[in-house]
Amino acid sequence: DVAMTQSPLSLPVTLGQPASISCRSSQSLVHSDGNTYLNWFLQRPGQSPRRLIYEVSNRDSGVPDRFSGSGSGTDFTLKISRVEAEDVGIYYCMQATHWPRTFGQGTKVEIK
Amino acid sequence: EVQLLESGGGLVQPGGSLRLSCAASGFSFSTYGMSWVRLGPGKGLEWISGVSASGATIKYSASVEGRFTISRDNSRNRLYLQMNSLRADDTALYYCARTFGADYWGQGTLVTVSS
Repeated sequence: DVAMTQSPLSLPVTLGQPASISCRSSQSLVHSDGNTYLNWFLQRPGQSPRRLIYEVSNRDSGVPDRFSGSGSGTDFTLKISRVEAEDVGIYYCMQATHWPRTFGQGTKVEIK
Repeated sequence: EVQLLESGGGLVQPGGSLRLSCAASGFSFSTYGMSWVRLGPGKGLEWISGVSASGATIKYSASVEGRFTISRDNSRNRLYLQMNSLRADDTALYYCARTFGADYWGQGTLVTVSS
């Protein structure tokens, strides 16, 4: 299975400041079709996960533009340009290139 | 509006069985692959199974292969997960999600395996 490693696992942030989460895969996530299927999710306390980013850098409908994704191959990053209170929760990366799909361990974002 | 509603969770003894169901609405169910993902206590998300739109392609994680069976009924817009030989470490909140990339999620159904 493809191992997904996130860092940091805990991220205290200041409101209005930027934040960044890293995700690395044990194998390249470039699919044979040429696309890279790396997604980011946020699970807010008491809620179901919500997909934020798909295929590395595409924001899902309704996701604020302060969220951005980047990366290629095995190294990926989720950035929040200015953290807001509603951004608190656990962030997961997930690869959807290989079977079985696999998630990172999760990064808990909290306000300082 | 895409809606996914899981049901069928509950308390079961080790070695027992449960069948989860996911009712889908708000999209053309028969044209989308579907997944089951779980969140165990103190753990992260774990993708456990997926089925293609037609049902022809089925995948499992190693942790459930041979014990769990995914299926779908496109005439009823329903996704299922038959869980046999349940173990304590199967205790989790089970979500159904649309597509293999999990673009929409249900609210989850809780499965507790305990004697």
